[in-house]
Amino acid sequence: NAGVTQTPKFQVLKTGQSMTLQCAQDMNHNSMYWYRQDPGMGLRLIYYSASEGTTDKGEVPNGYNVSRLNKREFSLRLESAAPSQTSVYFCAGGVVNGYTFGSGTRLTVV
Amino acid sequence: GQQVMQIPQYQHVQEGEDFTTYCNSSTTLSNIQWYKQRPGGHPVFLIQLVKSGEVKKQKRLTFQFGEAKKNSSLHITATQTTDVGTYFCAADNAGGTSYGKLTFGQGTILTVHP
Repeated sequence: NAGVTQTPKFQVLKTGQSMTLQCAQDMNHNSMYWYRQDPGMGLRLIYYSASEGTTDKGEVPNGYNVSRLNKREFSLRLESAAPSQTSVYFCAGGVVNGYTFGSGTRLTVV
Repeated sequence: GQQVMQIPQYQHVQEGEDFTTYCNSSTTLSNIQWYKQRPGGHPVFLIQLVKSGEVKKQKRLTFQFGEAKKNSSLHITATQTTDVGTYFCAADNAGGTSYGKLTFGQGTILTVHP
């Protein structure tokens, strides 16, 4: 099925641990995005990639790094997880006339 | 950066009642998009509005873009339990350039009581 695939769907980390959230799209989008969703705060942009080989910071980039490995894949890395990074993370691909979101990763940092 | 304010944060309605959520910006928007997120799900694109004063309909959903392109609304007529979820507006803060970086409103959580 065409779309955006995220892995894992759920993850529990201990404070200080690291992990990488994976995202892949098969819709041939140039642009890809990582958002986090917290109650009452909507979706906040962490990082985005306008095209293969480029990445830029969004609204809340601190504590995160990204890699645009190729046109299909855009990963998000937490180097040293903190409880404040407990959230639902969504990857998206698309252009100005509509994003396609992945199903999300529910991350808990204890 | 650009901010988009969305109200109300919560709305509880009886099935059959109407529902409206509003989105406001202090700056003129190049376009606005609307998304629906079912409980436990991910946001799904509904529609994009581009023109001043534009009105679009999708069955029981009516979307409007203000004349000044600073506000927008989503109206649902005769709500059904399948309308439950969070509705987000999102504005393109890149002036319509190709990478379309969106700023999302806080969302309106709609609950429909049967």
